[in-house]
Amino acid sequence: GAVVSQHPSRVICKSGTSVKIECRSLDFQATTMFWYRQFPKQSLMLMATSNEGSKATYEQGVEKDKFLINHASLTLSTLTVTSAHPEDSSFYICSLNGQTNTEAFFGQGTRLTVV
Amino acid sequence: GENVEQHPSTLSVQEGDSAVIKCTYSDSASNYFPWYKQELGKGPQLIIDIRSNVGEKKDQRIAVTLNKTAKHFSLHITETQPEDSAVYFCAASKGGGSGTYKYIFGTGTRLKVLA
Repeated sequence: GAVVSQHPSRVICKSGTSVKIECRSLDFQATTMFWYRQFPKQSLMLMATSNEGSKATYEQGVEKDKFLINHASLTLSTLTVTSAHPEDSSFYICSLNGQTNTEAFFGQGTRLTVV
Repeated sequence: GENVEQHPSTLSVQEGDSAVIKCTYSDSASNYFPWYKQELGKGPQLIIDIRSNVGEKKDQRIAVTLNKTAKHFSLHITETQPEDSAVYFCAASKGGGSGTYKYIFGTGTRLKVLA
């Protein structure tokens, strides 16, 4: 399967600052990547679909100006949480589809804590 | 909207016993059903999947069954071991060709295998 590297694995930031999370596809060119948020003991909720070379598609209820997504190359998508607040503290996970465009492979996740 | 229900939310079994987790999906157009294992603080790992043209698939101690008519699919783990303890998520998706596969995840099952 595809190898997905997500960085950082853990970050603590002050309220009001911005945090960037990177998702890299190490062995596969991904035109599409996905960003999820997972609160403790809950399921994964799709936030947005990241499309290489074009604007991301956001799910209903997700603020696109707060969660900025950039997919500038076939191997890198970034999620920037702008003006972070404590309620943004969560586990953020990226994924991409493999060669068959069906199976999804996930990054290791990023634990964001806003203090 | 599209929905995937998963039961039970928690499951404790004795080592060596079998574990069964069940999911029901709402969108009859869904055609791909993966199962993921998530360990604490990590991203989900694909453990087995099934497509809508197949009724059952097995990989060593893990099997998945699909009933398209009832829109049910289940994960079966036999001869459970302590290292099987984790949170398991089912998902349903649809798509084909070059389309984007959007996943709808179940709510998760916390499996505890007691030694």
